[in-house]
Formats: sequence, structure tokens, C-alpha cells
Amino acid sequence: AQKVTQAQTEISVVEKEDVTLDCVYETRDTTYYLFWYKQPPSGELVFLIRRNSFDEQNEISGRYSWNFQKSTSSFNFTITASQVVDSAVYFCALRREYGNKLVFGAGTILRVKS
Amino acid sequence: DTEVTQTPKHLVMGMTNKKSLKCEQHMGHRAMYWYKQKAKKPPELMFVYSYEKLSINESVPSRFSPECPNSSLLNLHLHALQPEDSALYLCASSPGQGIGAYEQYFGPGTRLTVT
Repeated sequence: AQKVTQAQTEISVVEKEDVTLDCVYETRDTTYYLFWYKQPPSGELVFLIRRNSFDEQNEISGRYSWNFQKSTSSFNFTITASQVVDSAVYFCALRREYGNKLVFGAGTILRVKS
Repeated sequence: DTEVTQTPKHLVMGMTNKKSLKCEQHMGHRAMYWYKQKAKKPPELMFVYSYEKLSINESVPSRFSPECPNSSLLNLHLHALQPEDSALYLCASSPGQGIGAYEQYFGPGTRLTVT
């Protein structure tokens, strides 16, 4: 069975602080895909990144970076110099190689205060 | 352009009403999805259409009836809903389906309230 755990229910930081959102997954598949989505108060899920299981390169995009470690089944997301606009719910998700279904974690609420 | 549009943004309906939610994408995606999201929970998959055919129904009650008139449009027909069906309904599309590396792109959602 596939499972995604986001143990941090809610995180509050002050603007300009760095923050890391944790994601741990479980799967017996050798090929799978991991995702991060952002859901601001408006409701839309915004796609941030997809990582394939066979590509363990970390990725940086502006203030965002992702650390994928197969050895610990983790796909953590770091926001550097956080801003108020980063306030949202962040979901980590897993999809098998075959199939359309995304398995979501419970989400982490990030509150960035000015 | 990775845009999925949904109408209406908000909908209030009585338990005896019939209404429809609409979703549209012009990215040439061949898979489209309906999700239901309750407050403070992750989205739950309801239906998947692949090449305009229903490929997944996650045991959704028959009071929800999906329809895919063409590859760009997806509807969700609602009839005799219950108050517990109040939720955010999200539509998504993806360039791939079933196998391989692709992501789903979501619309802004319709916030449904059943009275």
C-alpha cells in the first residue's frame, strides 16, 4: 500500500525565516513519482514539483528547494527567506508508475507572519 | 498555459435541486479528474476520465454523475445531495494518464454548500 505522512500539522514562522516541510512516504514500488502542491486560501492546488523515483537529484527553484532521499523515503521541501505570500497548506503526494491516483499526505499549514 | 477553469466558484443548493459543475481545459490533456475536498483534509479522488471515457469511479454515490462531452470539458451533475456533500470540488487534468511521469493541474474549485 502507498502512504504519505506529513507529520507537521501546522508551522508558524516569522517572515525571512527558513522553513522545512517534511514528507515521508511508503511504497514497495521501484518506480513512483512524488509531488508537492501548494493550496493558498483561495483553494486552488498549485503544482510545485514532480520528482521521479529514479532521479535523486535535489532541486532548487528560486527560494524553494527539495531534498529527495530514497534511503530514508523522504522528500522534504525548504522555503528560504519565507514571505507572507508563502502562507498556505502544502501537500506532498505519491503516485505509482501505473495508475492515475495521487495519494496525498494530510497537509501542512504554513503561516508566515510579518 | 497550465490553466483549468471551473464554474461556478460558489454554489448553494437545496437537497432537492439539480445542478451541474463545469470544468474546462485547453491544454490538450487527455485525462480529467474530479476531487472532493472537505475542510482541513486532502483532496479525495472521485472520478477519472481518460480519452473521454470513465476509467475510475471511486465508489462515489450515484447522486454525483460525471460527464465528459469532449476532451476539453468535464461536468459533474448533482442531484438530491446531502448536507455532508458540502465541500470544495476540484477539477484537474493531466497530459498523461495511467503510466509514466506527469503531473495533474488543478482548477480553482467550486465551493458547494448543500442546505
